[in-house]
Amino acid sequence: GAVVSQHPSRVICKSGTSVKIECRSLDFQATTMFWYRQFPKQSLMLMATSNEGSKATYEQGVEKDKFLINHASLTLSTLTVTSAHPEDSSFYICSARVLRGRGYTFGSGTRLTVV
Amino acid sequence: QKEVEQDPGPLSVPEGAIVSLNCTYSNSAFQYFMWYRQYSRKGPELLMYTYSSGNKEDGRFTAQVDKSSKYISLFIRDSQPSDSATYLCAMSESGGSYIPTFGRGTSLIVHP
Repeated sequence: GAVVSQHPSRVICKSGTSVKIECRSLDFQATTMFWYRQFPKQSLMLMATSNEGSKATYEQGVEKDKFLINHASLTLSTLTVTSAHPEDSSFYICSARVLRGRGYTFGSGTRLTVV
Repeated sequence: QKEVEQDPGPLSVPEGAIVSLNCTYSNSAFQYFMWYRQYSRKGPELLMYTYSSGNKEDGRFTAQVDKSSKYISLFIRDSQPSDSATYLCAMSESGGSYIPTFGRGTSLIVHP
């Protein structure tokens, strides 16, 4: 139980285009989801907290207009990287806290490459 | 000083060895302690979850928390090549949204 499905697993896009990443909680309702970015051999860096039905909360230094987060339902949160640049290339992972459980469950991650 | 310190390794051990992975932290408000395993290009998978100090065992895995020393450990007994992965420690405060703070992860290689 407590599975988060993340798509796509890998995407290559051209500079200047936008990319949407989806995370769905399959067997539970996630009122809150978290979006992370991870560079090679580095820790998970929290980008933003996504709240169902309200605006996302962004961490300091994360551009709100560049990383658009939408949490339209209790089971779906999306991250859109707008006007992508090569420096946006990274591994993006979503996570949700398991209600009535402990810890957090993670999606499988999305490897974004901007060329 | 980072809130959570973790040696990135890599740590290379022979199959069957006992592995010890560690993290130190500076925030005395941390109450929840977690260990995640992350295979290459995959999302982290929760291995162990403990509250406050003490030990917790699950199969070949044992998690230890020493809050007085601000030090946590994960032991893996009878290590297998399939245990080769990056292990991330994470911890969070009680109350609020429990958002965890992660270590940078330790790369473990178990060779046959």
